[in-house]
Amino acid sequence: NAGVTQTPKFQVLKTGQSMTLQCAQDMNHNSMYWYRQDPGMGLRLIYYSASEGTTDKGEVPNGYNVSRLNKREFSLRLESAAPSQTSVYFCASSGDRGGSRGKLFFGSGTQLSVL
Amino acid sequence: QQQVKQSPQSLIVQKGGISIINCAYENTAFDYFPWYQQFPGKGPALLIAIRPDVSEKKEGRFTISFNKSAKQFSLHIMDSQPGDSATYFCAASKDGNFNKFYFGSGTKLNVKP
Repeated sequence: NAGVTQTPKFQVLKTGQSMTLQCAQDMNHNSMYWYRQDPGMGLRLIYYSASEGTTDKGEVPNGYNVSRLNKREFSLRLESAAPSQTSVYFCASSGDRGGSRGKLFFGSGTQLSVL
Repeated sequence: QQQVKQSPQSLIVQKGGISIINCAYENTAFDYFPWYQQFPGKGPALLIAIRPDVSEKKEGRFTISFNKSAKQFSLHIMDSQPGDSATYFCAASKDGNFNKFYFGSGTKLNVKP
């Protein structure tokens, strides 16, 4: 059971380059999230998708876009990377019933450096 | 504005001791309070969670204490072990079919043998 799978694990970009972080879950969860983790800042929500076909901004959405491609996949795109976007990015999902309700399942993260 | 404030930022405890991490929140609409544990190089994983209808929840060596009037909750790790060394995050959300979670800034726990 893979859970939440993120790719790539590591990425180095130059300022101004673009890239897409991929995320897929196999738990049939409705809700998916993108967080960034910075030292001393905890986990901050970038974007989320409460259900297939919907997306909404979180706490720190500037400089990012997302696509909920289908129920399984939720991608995060950096159109023009900036050094301030150097961070560890986590995708997560949660269900709305049973043991998955209210429980976030995280991927293993993408460490992104923007030079 | 940080929705959930967590302290301390780091904590060193001797093996067998009690680790205590504290969190405070402002939004009285929050009604679900989980704690996540994160090991280096891994994503966070749910450790234990509480809803405000109880003041305490215990799972093994881990206990959440909840004070609704003070809008505070804390994680106690009894008989702390070196394997507990990790970063701990508290979080809060409004329970429902969809949960939008707000996280604390994290506490890095080091349990010395």
